[in-house]
Amino acid sequence: QQPVQSPQAVILREGEDAVINCSSSKALYSVHWYRQKHGEAPVFLMILLKGGEQKGHEKISASFNEKKQQSSLYLTASQLSYSGTYFCGTSSGAGSYQLTFGKGTKLSVIP
Amino acid sequence: KAGVTQTPRYLIKTRGQQVTLSCSPISGHRSVSWYQQTPGQGLQFLFEYFSETQRNKGNFPGRFSGRQFSNSRSEMNVSTLELGDSALYLCASSLGTSGGSYNEQFFGPGTRLTVL
Repeated sequence: QQPVQSPQAVILREGEDAVINCSSSKALYSVHWYRQKHGEAPVFLMILLKGGEQKGHEKISASFNEKKQQSSLYLTASQLSYSGTYFCGTSSGAGSYQLTFGKGTKLSVIP
Repeated sequence: KAGVTQTPRYLIKTRGQQVTLSCSPISGHRSVSWYQQTPGQGLQFLFEYFSETQRNKGNFPGRFSGRQFSNSRSEMNVSTLELGDSALYLCASSLGTSGGSYNEQFFGPGTRLTVL
């Protein structure tokens, strides 16, 4: 099943914060976050693993609630460059090489 | 390090034709995944290859197939094209080693396929 992202879209002014959520009905092993700008390929932001391990960009923070099968991406002090569509991709096991992506959250940062 | 390359970048075909798309992963990456991206469905997983073997397959009809060569380059084929196959096809490469879901994926620029 495709994870559900919320909100579907959000508009921020520079400097404001935002939270993007990703929920799954299946038990999750890992959650990946990617950002895609219009006309460009998705770019890796962060991976969170069941058990607490994570890797990604220093300026991006995220959480993974294993009990609720939810992940949240925190964007603080937003900049114009943060604009784009954010996707979460989930996998159900360490041996799974398949990522199932949500439909995305469109983030627009305005001056 | 060169990124993921995909060819061609744009393609126009008519219904019933077939098409082959190519993806060259980052040097040293042995896993290639393919995705279909449409405005309505977002990114949908097609299949993943590692060392010339398909390890995972998404819920797409058999018209969609792929393969991987010994140099890790991958091709995707769609036969008997339908209007609904119009989409951006993205490939992504990763190390693909054990704990595969812990490897970040690096996406190529995509092939924009239009079926008339």
